[in-house]
Amino acid sequence: GNSVTQMEGPVTLSEEAFLTINCTYTATGYPSLFWYVQYPGEGLQLLLKATKADDKGSNKGFEATYRKETTSFHLEKGSVQVSDSAVYFCALTPNQAGTALIFGKGTTLSVSS
Amino acid sequence: DAGVTQSPTHLIKTRGQQVTLRCSPKSGHDTVSWYQQALGQGPQFIFQYYEEEERQRGNFPDRFSGHQFPNYSSELNVNALLLGDSALYLCASSLGQLWDEQYFGPGTRLTVT
Repeated sequence: GNSVTQMEGPVTLSEEAFLTINCTYTATGYPSLFWYVQYPGEGLQLLLKATKADDKGSNKGFEATYRKETTSFHLEKGSVQVSDSAVYFCALTPNQAGTALIFGKGTTLSVSS
Repeated sequence: DAGVTQSPTHLIKTRGQQVTLRCSPKSGHDTVSWYQQALGQGPQFIFQYYEEEERQRGNFPDRFSGHQFPNYSSELNVNALLLGDSALYLCASSLGQLWDEQYFGPGTRLTVT
C-alpha cells in the first residue's frame, strides 16, 4: 500500500543551524509529494510540493527534491529561525487513486535563539 | 477572502453519543475532504465530497458519514462515539482535481469521555 515514513522527533536546533528532516515513501505508480507545516494552534499549511521525479519544491528557504531512485523527499533549510518551530508533515497523494493525502506521523522542530 | 472555516472549535461528548462537525470551504472551492488527526499522529483521510457525493473514502467504519450541501459546505457525522474517536478533525477544501491546492481549516477538537 501507500505510506510515508519520516524521522522521529523532536528535532532541537539552535538558530541559524542547518535542518534536514528525512522522509521516505512507498507508493504504486507516480505519486505527488508534499511537505505541510502545522504551527502551534493553527491548521496545516502547504509548505512545498513536487509532482514528478527530480522536481525540487521550495518555499520560505525550505527545499525538498523528489528522488524516485531512493523514494525520498527530504526537507532541508540552510539556516533555521525561531519562527520555524512547528510540526512538519511529509505527505503524498497517489495520483492514480484519487486525491486523498497520506501523511507521515510528523516531526516536531524546536529552534532556540 | 475567507479561508476554510470549521465549527465548533471544541466539543466534548460522551461515549455512545452522536456528533456533527461543520466545514465551509474556501471561496471558489467545490471539493471537501475530512481528516482525523489523533494526538501525536499525522492526519488520516476519512472521505472526500464532490458535487454532493462521496467520491473517495478512507479506512473508517460506517459510523463516520458525511454530507455536502449545494453551497459546497460539508458536515461530518460520527455515530456511537468511542473513546478512540477523540481527535482533531480537519477539513480541507480544493477545486476539483487540483489536489495540490488543498487548504486546511483550523480543525475541531473532539473529546469523548
